[in-house]
Amino acid sequence: AQSVTQLGSHVSVSEGALVLLRCNYSSSVPPYLFWYVQYPNQGLQLLLKYTTGATLVKGINGFEAEFKKSETSFHLTKPSAHMSDAAEYFCAVSDTNTNAGKSTFGDGTTLTVKP
Amino acid sequence: EPEVTQTPSHQVTQMGQEVILRCVPISNHLYFYWYRQILGQKVEFLVSFYNNEISEKSEIFDDQFSVERPDGSNFTLKIRSTKLEDSAMYFCASSLGLAGGGAGELFFGEGSRLTVL
Repeated sequence: AQSVTQLGSHVSVSEGALVLLRCNYSSSVPPYLFWYVQYPNQGLQLLLKYTTGATLVKGINGFEAEFKKSETSFHLTKPSAHMSDAAEYFCAVSDTNTNAGKSTFGDGTTLTVKP
Repeated sequence: EPEVTQTPSHQVTQMGQEVILRCVPISNHLYFYWYRQILGQKVEFLVSFYNNEISEKSEIFDDQFSVERPDGSNFTLKIRSTKLEDSAMYFCASSLGLAGGGAGELFFGEGSRLTVL
């Protein structure tokens, strides 16, 4: 069984500040990990994913995340927040033990960016 | 770029009425999902569908819910007798799955907002 814990349901940063959204996972098999973003009144879209190989992965809109197996973490960062980054962010882990690779989502973190 | 499309974008219905939400997944995808999100809450898994049958369902997906892929392109979610607590945003998603060469990442539609009065 897999699970995802997102620490902090709400994160607020100033424009230009570092964004750090935390995600820890639990998985009995090597995980595939994802971050999705949901802008208001829209569906979820993939920001980035980790499967194998390089542990630092880059995504769209300047976001990146680092897979740390020893810490079972996959935290999302962006060096400088923009107002347009205000959204809900979801971390997810895929069950690589199945053909479907069904994803389990965290509860989400709402990012607010202050001017 | 291929995308998942959902209709209607918003439906208002009376309690006890039947509702059908429609989705057109990405054409070469193999796995299809319905998720729901009650306003302000997390995204909850409802059901997954593969090879014309349900592969997994959550405890939310009770006898009031059903899914089908009637014509090889559409993927529908039916709620037989809606309750007030069914009011939510319903998201359809599709995936290649690991067997199809993907990593399990999901491609979501824009959602169908269901309001039950």
